[in-house]
Amino acid sequence: GAVVSQHPSWVICKSGTSVKIECRSLDFQATTMFWYRQFPKQSLMLMATSNEGSKATYEQGVEKDKFLINHASLTLSTLTVTSAHPEDSSFYICSASRGELFFGEGSRLTVL
Amino acid sequence: GQQLNQSPQSMFIQEGEDVSMNCTSSSIFNTWLWYKQDPGEGPVLLIALYKAGELTSNGRLTAQFGITRKDSFLNISASIPSDVGIYFCAAPKGGATNKLIFGTGTLLAVQP
Repeated sequence: GAVVSQHPSWVICKSGTSVKIECRSLDFQATTMFWYRQFPKQSLMLMATSNEGSKATYEQGVEKDKFLINHASLTLSTLTVTSAHPEDSSFYICSASRGELFFGEGSRLTVL
Repeated sequence: GQQLNQSPQSMFIQEGEDVSMNCTSSSIFNTWLWYKQDPGEGPVLLIALYKAGELTSNGRLTAQFGITRKDSFLNISASIPSDVGIYFCAAPKGGATNKLIFGTGTLLAVQP
């Protein structure tokens, strides 16, 4: 069964609104989770590292004020896309390690 | 920066054929990973390689860690329709075990 789960699987929103995506580790604690973004027909690009109890660390070129990450518990990290615009439409995928690195099912965001 | 280039970009084969794809980089890595991604899903680990020259199998899949540590190869024998998907190589970003950079991907289509 799934080791890392994301919710929602897909979301459609209007331009200018904010959208929250959850990433949960199932049956294990993850002090660190990772968020990736994947545009259509492209590879996964690491966006940020989510750290439980402290600030997330962002990869170069990723706007921290645009993509808010909160890792409030050992099993949950959330990614909030603030003031979303059509160019933010993408497939967002999280991962967490339980020995091996596991990926969530992904969340497809479409901004109209 | 660190980049992983995969070839071929796509492959269209008949069921039963063998498949070979590779991943190259100008950077040296100590770990090579191969993932498969089905449409609308997160990537799933197929094979992990930790030593230069290592050859590892997982069922019909065989992967090798290049001796120069700058490349890796994945072979699939006797392909079946469920092998369809996108195959990504990946390696640790900046040496961090769980932060990955992904290759450009190889799309595999298998015709029954």
